[in-house]
Amino acid sequence: AQTVTQSQPEMSVQEAETVTLSCTYDTSESNYYLFWYKQPPSRQMILVIRQEAYKQQNATENRFSVNFQKAAKSFSLKISDSQLGDTAMYFCAFMNLDSRLTFGEGTQLTVNP
Amino acid sequence: DTGVSQDPRHKITKRGQNVTFRCDPISEHNRLYWYRQTLGQGPEFLTYFQNEAQLEKSRLLSDRFSAERPKGSFSTLEIQRTEQGDSAMYLCASSPALGADTQYFGPGTRLTVL
Repeated sequence: AQTVTQSQPEMSVQEAETVTLSCTYDTSESNYYLFWYKQPPSRQMILVIRQEAYKQQNATENRFSVNFQKAAKSFSLKISDSQLGDTAMYFCAFMNLDSRLTFGEGTQLTVNP
Repeated sequence: DTGVSQDPRHKITKRGQNVTFRCDPISEHNRLYWYRQTLGQGPEFLTYFQNEAQLEKSRLLSDRFSAERPKGSFSTLEIQRTEQGDSAMYLCASSPALGADTQYFGPGTRLTVL
């Protein structure tokens, strides 16, 4: 069974600064996918970024980028130029080819003005 | 594209009652998933459908839980004889096709069992 661990329950950052959220996972699979989802307070889960394990290049979406270290089974999210609207719970998630998502416990990110 | 919708958004019920939730996926999405999320935790997989076929069920889905997707469009999740431990957010997600497509989530149904 796969497991996903987010070791930072809470983080805070000043507006316009950069923050990195950590995620590690455990799997025996070689083909899989990794995701970061964002869940703002009382709002629905939104996809932030996705990484295919077979791709060596780290995924980037505007201010969001990942550092994917396959050998270390690490998948961190970097948010640049943090904005107040980035305040949310962030979940790291793993998907293998059976398509079910396994989520971490989440990191509550607060962006301070 | 209207997104995934769920109804109701909130449900309060007494222990022992039956409840049913509905999920409408994004149009033409073949796969539909149900997850349960308790306060302060990440979502946990319950079950998923490929069109009308239920392909996998988690051991979390006890005999009191049943899910259907009769025509391959909307889905219902029923909980019979609810218990206080069933209190959670029930999330529905859909994805376009086969394989590891991105799942798009609905707003969830928050269940409170008194």
